Amino acid sequence: SAVISQKPSRDICQRGTSLTIQCQVDSQVTMMFWYRQQPGQSLTLIATANQGSEATYESGFVIDKFPISRPNLTFSTLTVSNMSPEDSSIYLCSVEEADRGSYNEQFFGPGTRLTVL
Amino acid sequence: GQNIDQPTEMTATEGAIVQINCTYQTSGFNGLFWYQQHAGEAPTFLSYNVLDGLEEKGRFSSFLSRSKGYSYLLLKELQMKDSASYLCAVRGASGYALNFGKGTSLLVTP
Repeated sequence: SAVISQKPSRDICQRGTSLTIQCQVDSQVTMMFWYRQQPGQSLTLIATANQGSEATYESGFVIDKFPISRPNLTFSTLTVSNMSPEDSSIYLCSVEEADRGSYNEQFFGPGTRLTVL
Repeated sequence: GQNIDQPTEMTATEGAIVQINCTYQTSGFNGLFWYQQHAGEAPTFLSYNVLDGLEEKGRFSSFLSRSKGYSYLLLKELQMKDSASYLCAVRGASGYALNFGKGTSLLVTP
């Protein structure tokens, strides 16, 4: 299975600043996703990070607020821009391994715990 | 759109069996996943169903009925370490991303 690392693991940021979260995978993967998990809540998909093209955002999320890069098949970044306390959340990177037979399993990174003051 | 419902909390006794239900209403369907998430950790994959029926994997089994929009996760021989949140997630027909339910917090007691 894919091994996923995220940096930073946690951060405390000031209102109005931006933070870039990195996601590194130990193998080439086609699909990478960014999720948010607010305190006590389940996971909400922010966007699908497409290699070589713009990310595909879900309803309620926009590129200006959450710009995403996907320069190659093993790496992606998510930036949380102009942060407010409502952005305090855990941000998780997820990848999908293809060609595993009958289904493609999604693996999650350890998450980045963000607190905005 | 997607609507995925699970009970919020459940409690069961060590050694017992517990069934966690999930109902869904989606605009398309391309598989249902169950994940386990311990507090402060990332979700870990438990099971996948795309066809009707029961999939068994050790102490964990998952069932799917597509016509009823219904799945359950069955945990046997419960252990204290099974105390966690269990997330039901559905993949729609149009893509690869998962839509998650709010999760069921399971507490296993001695």
